[in-house]
Amino acid sequence: QVHLVESGGGLVKPGGSLRLSCAASGFAFGDYYMSWIRQAPGKGPQWISYISSDSGYTNYVDSVEGRFTISRDNARNTLYLQMNSLRVEDTAVYYCARDPYDEVLTGFYDNWGQGTLVTVSS
Amino acid sequence: IVLTQTPGTLSLSPGERATLSCRASETVSANYLAWYQQRPGQAPRLLIYGASSRATGISDRFSGSGSGTDFTLTISRLEPEDFAVYYCQQYDRSPRTFGQGTKVEIK
Repeated sequence: QVHLVESGGGLVKPGGSLRLSCAASGFAFGDYYMSWIRQAPGKGPQWISYISSDSGYTNYVDSVEGRFTISRDNARNTLYLQMNSLRVEDTAVYYCARDPYDEVLTGFYDNWGQGTLVTVSS
Repeated sequence: IVLTQTPGTLSLSPGERATLSCRASETVSANYLAWYQQRPGQAPRLLIYGASSRATGISDRFSGSGSGTDFTLTISRLEPEDFAVYYCQQYDRSPRTFGQGTKVEIK
């Protein structure tokens, strides 16, 4: 059974940094593309970044490019999101999510974690 | 690609049929469109991919249709657990984008 558990969220001041983690279990983590998706209060989800199974490819939405960095440690079955220069508009629940097929980027998500809340406020 | 979902809220009774619409600002090639259900306090759950293929374990009460710029999610007979928010998502172009959601509420 696929299990994704995010952690690392919290309250941070504008301009601050946070590192989110997503612990994966129940599947061959190292074979799958993984993404971070966020959802601001009362809004639809927003994809923000993906990383290939071997970390060779990453991609970001324009609004976080240069501020956020996605990475993974396949030996630890863990996905990360380093968030720097945080803004009020980055406030959201952050989910990690899995592409459904191993070694293939499809762009939809068959498994999601429960999310971790990031609040950026002074 | 901007996805616009209508209506914003759908008020129906259990047992009724729900029809949700998702319109794309540009053609979604190869029907690369998915639908998700989100209950309060939970993560989105994949229902439909490829515009019409049901995800594993999803009831056949859920069906997807459409092509090009117009897509539809139909719930044939609403069960109590179906009252939730539904999102469409395109994965044809980067960035992947989601609609703003349709809330299906109990009338």
